[in-house]
Amino acid sequence: NAGVMQNPRHLVRRRGQEARLRCSPMKGHSHVYWYRQLPEEGLKFMVYLQKENIIDESGMPKERFSAEFPKEGPSILRIQQVVRGDSAAYFCASSPSRGTDTQYFGPGTRLTVL
Amino acid sequence: SQQGEEDPQALSIQEGENATMNCSYKTSINNLQWYRQNSGRGLVHLILIRSNEREKHSGRLRVTLDTSKKSSSLLITASRAADTASYFCATQRSGGSNYKLTFGKGTLLTVNP
Repeated sequence: NAGVMQNPRHLVRRRGQEARLRCSPMKGHSHVYWYRQLPEEGLKFMVYLQKENIIDESGMPKERFSAEFPKEGPSILRIQQVVRGDSAAYFCASSPSRGTDTQYFGPGTRLTVL
Repeated sequence: SQQGEEDPQALSIQEGENATMNCSYKTSINNLQWYRQNSGRGLVHLILIRSNEREKHSGRLRVTLDTSKKSSSLLITASRAADTASYFCATQRSGGSNYKLTFGKGTLLTVNP
């Protein structure tokens, strides 16, 4: 049973470009969470999605950031017009159900904005 | 306010010694979890302790939870060089939005061979 997959593992973008980060949850998991880790910091919750629904996006910046989890395919975190402050590690986690359940994390995507 | 603050920020010990890390939090929780992160890698789930539990063991790991003091500790016994990593505590609160994990800044553990 493959774990949570994320790609790319490393992404370099210039200021103003778009970044698209992908996450495939563990098999059988329909709940996906995105977290951001700034250098020397812990992870911060961004958004929680179920298939075709955004449940909670309270941790996501209101502008330039969007997330989706379509019926088919991976969850996508999209950052438009990236700025240097977006440089961070972005982690995806999945769980089989909502609520207090162990979340399984992917290896992360390290975004560097030049 | 910061939920889940680990202490110390960094800890350096010799192989074979025990390592103890502490975590404090502020709100009512459903559970508290500990994760390990090797440098530049993803997070590995170590152990989950529920709010009605006081102590839990898993191999060389021992976790305690004191809800009256809103604190937890992680003890790694007989440490190995491979235990070198950052350790994070994370809480899931009771009540609404209980799916969110709230992480501390972590403790960087270095085990010297």
